[in-house]
Amino acid sequence: NAGVTQTPKFQVLKTGQSMTLQCAQDMNHNSMYWYRQDPGMGLRLIYYSASEGTTDKGEVPNGYNVSRLNKREFSLRLESAAPSQTSVYFCASTTDRAGGGYTFGSGTRLTVV
Amino acid sequence: SQQGEEDPQALSIQEGENATMNCSYKTSINNLQWYRQNSGRGLVHLILIRSNEREKHSGRLRVTLDTSKKSSSLLITASRAADTASYFCATDAGGYSTLTFGKGTMLLVSP
Repeated sequence: NAGVTQTPKFQVLKTGQSMTLQCAQDMNHNSMYWYRQDPGMGLRLIYYSASEGTTDKGEVPNGYNVSRLNKREFSLRLESAAPSQTSVYFCASTTDRAGGGYTFGSGTRLTVV
Repeated sequence: SQQGEEDPQALSIQEGENATMNCSYKTSINNLQWYRQNSGRGLVHLILIRSNEREKHSGRLRVTLDTSKKSSSLLITASRAADTASYFCATDAGGYSTLTFGKGTMLLVSP
């Protein structure tokens, strides 16, 4: 069981470039999430998908878009990267949004120069 | 906005000692969860305690929850160097909410 797989693990972008962070889970989980982690800030929710076909904004959605491609995959897109988006991005999933523990991927470390 | 706030921000102990971390939160919750993050890695779910529970154990972990004080504590007994990590509390307010994480406690366990 791979759990939650994120690609790429590292990425350097120039300001204004776009990219998509990929996330896939093989646990048949319904809900998936994208968080960013910055020093001293803990984890902040960017977007989430309660089930296939639905997506909702989290605490810090500006500058991002998401796609729940199917039950397994949930991607995060930066259309025009900014230095403020330099962060570590984590994807997570859970079987049930109401009351379950999350399974996290290993993260994508993104630097925007 | 941060719902849970951990205390202390950093904790340094010797192997064999107990480590206690606290978490305070602001609103009513459905459950509270604790996660561990080793340096450069993803978060790992440790334990979940529901709002109608007061204490829960899992191996060397003991979690308490006081909903009247809106606080929780995580006790790691007989700490090992491998317990060195950051520990986060996360609250689930129930319904259609999502987990909200605190800023974490960095635990250093020295051999």
